[in-house]
Amino acid sequence: QPVLTQSSSASASLGSSVKLTCTLSSGHSSYIIAWHQQQPGKAPRYLMKLENSGSYNKGSGIPDRFSGSSSGADRYLTISNLQSEDEADYYCETWDTNARVFGGGTTLTVL
Amino acid sequence: QVQLVESGGGVVQPGGSLRVSCAASGFTFSTSGMHWVRQTPDKGLEWVAFIRYDGGSIDYADSVKGRFTISRDNTDNTLYLQMNSLRVDDTAVYYCARGAQAIDFWGQGTLVTVSS
Repeated sequence: QPVLTQSSSASASLGSSVKLTCTLSSGHSSYIIAWHQQQPGKAPRYLMKLENSGSYNKGSGIPDRFSGSSSGADRYLTISNLQSEDEADYYCETWDTNARVFGGGTTLTVL
Repeated sequence: QVQLVESGGGVVQPGGSLRVSCAASGFTFSTSGMHWVRQTPDKGLEWVAFIRYDGGSIDYADSVKGRFTISRDNTDNTLYLQMNSLRVDDTAVYYCARGAQAIDFWGQGTLVTVSS
């Protein structure tokens, strides 16, 4: 079963860019993942599905400021032109034949 | 628009049972795989169970296997989670979510509290 590792926290200034990382465990570097955003007090929201090729498909209504990329076992979420509403927890998700796993989440603070 | 609305959460004693429901609308429920995912402040998001669009394939997390049962009614566009032998550590917000591969839509969640 795959394991997803995320840094617990990140911070960046309003208007700048930030790149969040989700790392797949050994033997699972080809797996597709998904990114989800959870704003304070709200349910998670699907952002995008991201393949190991770096190709990604965003959910409906997700701003162009959100993009994805991949390198080896690492999957990235880049948020450009940070806005105050981007302050949230960000989770990655992947799945196997009979299970689904989430990373521990990264709390993003917008300074 | 797509909507998933959970209901049925509440307070239950350890060892008790509870059934939570999820009413789906705005998409073709009968062709969609569905999940239950729970969240606690200390454990983050934890996948609980999955049911294929036709109910023909079901999977559970080891932590709930033998105690929880996921089911669906495609004529009523409703997803269910029957929870038996509840434990204190089952306390969480329970979300229903859509997706056969990536989860691509989440409900707003219902809080289940297991406490004496």
